[in-house]
Amino acid sequence: AQKITQTQPGMFVQEKEAVTLDCTYDTSDPSYGLFWYKQPSSGEMIFLIYQGSYDQQNATEGRYSLNFQKARKSANLVISASQLGDSAMYFCAMRALSSGSARQLTFGSGTQLTVLP
Amino acid sequence: DGGITQSPKYLFRKEGQNVTLSCEQNLNHDAMYWYRQDPGQGLRLIYYSQIVNDFQKGDIAEGYSVSREKKESFPLTVTSAQKNPTAFYLCASNGGISTDTQYFGPGTRLTVL
Repeated sequence: AQKITQTQPGMFVQEKEAVTLDCTYDTSDPSYGLFWYKQPSSGEMIFLIYQGSYDQQNATEGRYSLNFQKARKSANLVISASQLGDSAMYFCAMRALSSGSARQLTFGSGTQLTVLP
Repeated sequence: DGGITQSPKYLFRKEGQNVTLSCEQNLNHDAMYWYRQDPGQGLRLIYYSQIVNDFQKGDIAEGYSVSREKKESFPLTVTSAQKNPTAFYLCASNGGISTDTQYFGPGTRLTVL
């Protein structure tokens, strides 16, 4: 079984500052993938960034980076230079990658980020 | 443009009625998924399908049914047996060779009156 924990129901950040959204996970699978999605008020789920458990380097995509600490089972999302349009709900998710494993994602409960002008 | 479409965007249903939510993708993805989201919560898996004519129950399948007759389409029926169907429903797909990233449709908001 897999579990994702996001302990911050809400976060505030000043525009142009960086913010870290926390995510810890638990799994018995040796190979897994970690994902972050953004959900604005419109409801659509927008894929942001992916990290494989065997990737040597932390993933980066533009202003998004994933601080992956395998021993601590954490996969925190860092957003640099926050913009007003970053205000949204952010979800951490994972899935097992082992052969034969099901391909569904397990989601955390989300963090509501508000960027202040 | 490639993507996932869901219709309708908003749906109202009377108690005791079945209703079908549409999900279509033109990404040539093999796998498709249905999730339910309740206010302030994460997504929970209802059903998924990894190939045509095959599908599996997710964590909260009771009161729902699906079909997968075509690769592009994965409709979800919310039956009268679903005790609390008011929620936001999201369809997703994946199947590219590069990553296992799931891409989502815009969602359908179902309200039972």
